[in-house]
Amino acid sequence: SQELEQSPQSLIVQEGKNLTINCTSSKTLYGLYWYKQKYGEGLIFLMMLQKGGEEKSHEKITAKLDEKKQQSSLHITASQPSHAGIYLCGADSGGSNYKLTFGKGTLLTVNP
Amino acid sequence: DADVTQTPRNRITKTGKRIMLECSQTKGHDRMYWYRQDPGLGLQLIYYSFDVKDINKGEISDGYSVSRQAQAKFSLSLESAIPNQTALYFCATSDSTRVQPQHFGDGTRLSIL
Repeated sequence: SQELEQSPQSLIVQEGKNLTINCTSSKTLYGLYWYKQKYGEGLIFLMMLQKGGEEKSHEKITAKLDEKKQQSSLHITASQPSHAGIYLCGADSGGSNYKLTFGKGTLLTVNP
Repeated sequence: DADVTQTPRNRITKTGKRIMLECSQTKGHDRMYWYRQDPGLGLQLIYYSFDVKDINKGEISDGYSVSRQAQAKFSLSLESAIPNQTALYFCATSDSTRVQPQHFGDGTRLSIL
């Protein structure tokens, strides 16, 4: 089965700083999804990546999928307190069932 | 109104009780999922359904059952709740296209004493 490793597990940054969260798979990623979760709340879909080398941006958040489709990074530029939360990556298993496997999440704290 | 609605949002109950968590969606998606989230463990898939007549076990289905009453409704039952089922439970939906994101409800926080 596919496993996703996220790093770091937690991150504390000062407001205005840039940061990167990584998601690494043991297998080829057929679809990679980034979600954000406020503590104790639902998951908000951020971006989906499918093609090797693909990069997408939304406001100050940029996500990339490497050429080999086994690693994705999420980069936040000029972080703000509103970026705080748990970031999770999810991946399409690539089998016939299409269900997602999730990483354990990265807890981001942004200090004003 | 939310596209994926979970009820109740919070529930406290006692060991041995039967509990049902409900999920309804207005997105028109065929596929529905139930996950549980525990601190440090991420999301684990309990059951999933690709249409009304299709039910599949996920990674951690023991102690749980589900019912897909209609395309828009998917309920999760704990027949005899135990304390280690205390967790945050999420329902999600997705379109049947090959690669599509899942859309999540706001979750049900379940505490079993």
